[in-house]
Amino acid sequence: DGGITQSPKYLFRKEGQNVTLSCEQNLNHDAMYWYRQDPGQGLRLIYYSQIVNDFQKGDIAEGYSVSREKKESFPLTVTSAQKNPTAFYLCASSAQISSSYEQYFGPGTRLTVT
Amino acid sequence: QKEVEQDPGPLSVPEGAIVSLNCTYSNSAFQYFMWYRQYSRKGPELLMYTYSSGNKEDGRFTAQVDKSSKYISLFIRDSQPSDSATYLCAMSLYSGGYQKVTFGTGTKLQVIP
Repeated sequence: DGGITQSPKYLFRKEGQNVTLSCEQNLNHDAMYWYRQDPGQGLRLIYYSQIVNDFQKGDIAEGYSVSREKKESFPLTVTSAQKNPTAFYLCASSAQISSSYEQYFGPGTRLTVT
Repeated sequence: QKEVEQDPGPLSVPEGAIVSLNCTYSNSAFQYFMWYRQYSRKGPELLMYTYSSGNKEDGRFTAQVDKSSKYISLFIRDSQPSDSATYLCAMSLYSGGYQKVTFGTGTKLQVIP
């Protein structure tokens, strides 16, 4: 079964702690994305990656970091610098960056920071 | 003004009804138009995408784009309780080397048996 997996499904952290969200895909897609979803707001792009060892900031990158050491994996770290980290985080991929209109999403990770 | 506007609903319809979901946009540079379905606490699922004005049909779903009015619609025929979900419109334009995607806030649909 091809798809995108995200883990964990739910994550709870104390304020001031960094936390890393996992995203793995077996679709052989070059491009991967991280979004944040908040109630009443559209999905907002945090980071995207066109190929291995390359990534670019999206619209709301402050307080987040990513890496792309393998084609299949694109982990997101939410740092203590992110002022409002509680949200639903979604990872997505597309075959190439030029076909980002055809993105496939993972099931999401709900992060709660108290 | 947001680039993409979508009525949040909720929209409640009886089973078997025709559903019309709509989005308006302000940027005429948008090239691709997409519809996603998102069940509660799940990731969005791509339903359809289209490039040109006009209609595109896939089973019970029809996507309509009117670029002159900057208006897109998704029609669902013979709606089923399993169609109950939030529907996100999205659109993209070429910017900075890739198709930058802007999402609507979503319309929550409930189909009542």
